[in-house]
Amino acid sequence: LAKTTQPISMDSYEGQEVNITCSHNNIATNDYITWYQQFPSQGPRFIIQGYKTKVTNEVASLFIPADRKSSTLSLPRVSLSDTAVYYCLVGDRRFGNEKLTFGTGTRLTIIP
Amino acid sequence: ETGVTQTPRHLVMGMTNKKSLKCEQHLGHNAMYWYKQSAKKPLELMFVYSLEERVENNSVPSRFSPECPNSSHLFLHLHTLQPEDSALYLCASSPAGLAGAGDTGELFFGEGSRLTVL
Repeated sequence: LAKTTQPISMDSYEGQEVNITCSHNNIATNDYITWYQQFPSQGPRFIIQGYKTKVTNEVASLFIPADRKSSTLSLPRVSLSDTAVYYCLVGDRRFGNEKLTFGTGTRLTIIP
Repeated sequence: ETGVTQTPRHLVMGMTNKKSLKCEQHLGHNAMYWYKQSAKKPLELMFVYSLEERVENNSVPSRFSPECPNSSHLFLHLHTLQPEDSALYLCASSPAGLAGAGDTGELFFGEGSRLTVL
């Protein structure tokens, strides 16, 4: 299973763009990269998923370089409500979610 | 609101008690999961059910007993727990136990049941 490495914590000011990078050096050919967001005392919430290049939705963008050994979650113009823990997961979608592992994530704190 | 409902939201129990956590989803999903989240630790997968059959049991102690009577309901029966079992227990569901083409395999989590064992 591909192991992921993320910064433990990050701080940012409101209105700025935040980029959280995840390293996954041993990602396999069939692995996808998925990001989840978790607020205190709630379950994680799916943000975005990608395989290569760039994926964008109404919440975030995900940048994946050609070698796929890392990925960057980009949150545009963050607000206080974006304070949460962000998890990067790597896994083969063909085998469901039972093989996915949540690490310790990145604790993002937005400062007024 | 994710469509996954967990009850109770908070539970305090003694080590000799027997209690159950309940999870319900009406999203039409056919896979359901129990996760445990202890303070300052990553989420740990406990059990996975796909089409009401248990697929995965990550060496969870027998004092935790899951039950999946149908694809919409999942229970976690608790008995003779230890204080270190105090944690947030999260239920999740996903559209398919095995993700098909075009399926992100997205997990839909409930808000969790906060368990305290005295």
